[in-house]
Amino acid sequence: GENVEQHPSTLSVQEGDSAVIKCTYSDSASNYFPWYKQELGKRPQLIIDIRSNVGEKKDQRIAVTLNKTAKHFSLHITETQPEDSAVYFCAASRWDSNYQLIWGAGTKLIIKP
Amino acid sequence: GAVVSQHPSWVICKSGTSVKIECRSLDFQATTMFWYRQFPKQSLMLMATSNEGSKATYEQGVEKDKFLINHASLTLSTLTVTSAHPEDSSFYICSAPDRSFDYEQYFGPGTRLTVT
Repeated sequence: GENVEQHPSTLSVQEGDSAVIKCTYSDSASNYFPWYKQELGKRPQLIIDIRSNVGEKKDQRIAVTLNKTAKHFSLHITETQPEDSAVYFCAASRWDSNYQLIWGAGTKLIIKP
Repeated sequence: GAVVSQHPSWVICKSGTSVKIECRSLDFQATTMFWYRQFPKQSLMLMATSNEGSKATYEQGVEKDKFLINHASLTLSTLTVTSAHPEDSSFYICSAPDRSFDYEQYFGPGTRLTVT
């Protein structure tokens, strides 16, 4: 079955700097890769996603890149702000599994003022 | 985007009692819903996949007789934790993919269960 690994588990960056979180997946048939932000005690919030027919997607300060050959995808946050502090999860899924999500372990992002 | 509600948002129950959690898709039909459990500082762990009109599919290690799932309609799935014990205390979250939004998943707000 699919396995998703996420690194690092904790990331501390200075406010204004960039943050990068990386994930690798094992199932080459996976075709949907979302990123979620979760604040303490709240539901995961989709911040960006990418499908396997695209290599890169950007939304303001957030971007995701996908390398299908290497089976890894990354989240890039530029000009980090204090409100970016949260736990970020990557996930992978495939259309023939009802898009059941396989989750990474999460990255706690700390933005230092 | 679509909306998924979950009720109750938090519940405290005594050991040995049962608790029912409801998950509703408010503006779309969900033939499939996913139930997760999340312990502090951990990732979401899939417990089961709820299918409208058929039996739920449970993940390995999840007791189906303890965690009863009923997908009664295209907008409602329920999770009943039977004979709850303190180790069942956790954050339970449901989600549903919306086919009209290319299967993007929508999450309920979660239910904090505390068993005393």
